[in-house]
Amino acid sequence: DTAVSQTPKYLVTQMGNDKSIKCEQNLGHDTMYWYKQDSKKFLKIMFSYNNKELIINETVPNRFSPKSPDKAHLNLHINSLELGDSAVYFCASSQDRMGDTQYFGPGTRLTVL
Amino acid sequence: GIQVEQSPPDLILQEGANSTLRCNFSDSVNNLQWFHQNPWGQLINLFYIPSGTKQNGRLSATTVATERYSLLYISSSQTTDSGVYFCAVDLYNFNKFYFGSGTKLNVKP
Repeated sequence: DTAVSQTPKYLVTQMGNDKSIKCEQNLGHDTMYWYKQDSKKFLKIMFSYNNKELIINETVPNRFSPKSPDKAHLNLHINSLELGDSAVYFCASSQDRMGDTQYFGPGTRLTVL
Repeated sequence: GIQVEQSPPDLILQEGANSTLRCNFSDSVNNLQWFHQNPWGQLINLFYIPSGTKQNGRLSATTVATERYSLLYISSSQTTDSGVYFCAVDLYNFNKFYFGSGTKLNVKP
């Protein structure tokens, strides 16, 4: 049973396209996150939602828009993709918004050509 | 912003050896986690350790928050320990974690 799942696992697309990555967790957690890992393996938080409410919004271009239809899902939509968006995007979840262990999904490798 | 520095950046071990990975941070933090990213890219939480010492099998971690560092000990290393180890800190207990640049570990048989 996968705890935090993401689709797709790989995404190859052209510059200027719009794409979405989906994330689902079956752990019953209240809080979900999106992270970006660049080519140098550096991990940076992008967004966090708690019970469908946005609570963390780092300095991310507004081409990136997270959407949480319910607390088990957090999707990431990216408009007008750029070469610099190429990275691995990880979804994560935790039981609560404060002081808690985070569980990561398998990642989505996005390549923008 | 907060600086999170991990050392060493790279480490090569012979199977069976012990090692210590270090994480220094520039501000007082409320929480700290250690992660292992395996060669297939999966991130696994090893420890949630804002302070004190925890042990899990061959791994243990110690955080001395007042001195702004944490250590991860790996004993009797195995090839499956290979990968990148990340330290992540949270300033305000809001689960807004800042990651270090990682220690890449290669355990040779």
